[in-house]
Amino acid sequence: QVQLVQSGAEVKKPGASVKVSCKASGYTFSTYGISWVRQAPGQGLEWVGWISSHNDNTKNAQKLQGRVIMTIDTSTSTAYMELRSLRSDDTAVYYCARVWFSGYDRHFDYWGQGTLVTVAS
Amino acid sequence: QSVLTQPPSVSGAPGQRVTISCTGSSSNIGAGYDVHWYQQLPGTAPKLLIYGNSNRPSGVPDRVSGSKSGASASLAITGLQAEDEADYYCQSYDSSLSGYWVFGGGTKLTVL
Repeated sequence: QVQLVQSGAEVKKPGASVKVSCKASGYTFSTYGISWVRQAPGQGLEWVGWISSHNDNTKNAQKLQGRVIMTIDTSTSTAYMELRSLRSDDTAVYYCARVWFSGYDRHFDYWGQGTLVTVAS
Repeated sequence: QSVLTQPPSVSGAPGQRVTISCTGSSSNIGAGYDVHWYQQLPGTAPKLLIYGNSNRPSGVPDRVSGSKSGASASLAITGLQAEDEADYYCQSYDSSLSGYWVFGGGTKLTVL
């Protein structure tokens, strides 16, 4: 069965960086891209970015431009999201999700369990 | 301010039918991109509920349905049960800028 298992919770100071991992299993990793979605406390879902698992193409949310770096390691079927220059409003649960991408159908069919990133001084 | 607009809350008694609307624009739903729905129970990750406007993944009961018309979509749940109490999000894709995924602000469904 498809599983996405994320790394554990992190506490960081403002200005620092955080790197969250997402290890995939149960499917051919290179066939599907991975997106990252975050959810601030008590708030809705916010798309962070997407990375293709077969050619390293990426897209990210305009508001995070220049601060988010997404990478993949096909040898371990793991995706990574690094967020730099952390601010207090980056405090959120970060989810990775497998992307189904076919024509006009682009959705997230499997999700990781989430990683809480807390930014506090 | 979310790109897709949903009502903040809806409610219904057990056994009733509720609908949740999702309104987009000509650069996302109105451009032909499919609408998808997710259910999020408290403290858990979102779960895919409807994909491709009206398709149910395996395991989702047929009392849950989705539809799309023009730049809007709807999620309907009939025979409401206590276990349906959750947050619901619509999602699509937007072709503006270089293209990106978009969500609605979420709707809290309360079973009275």
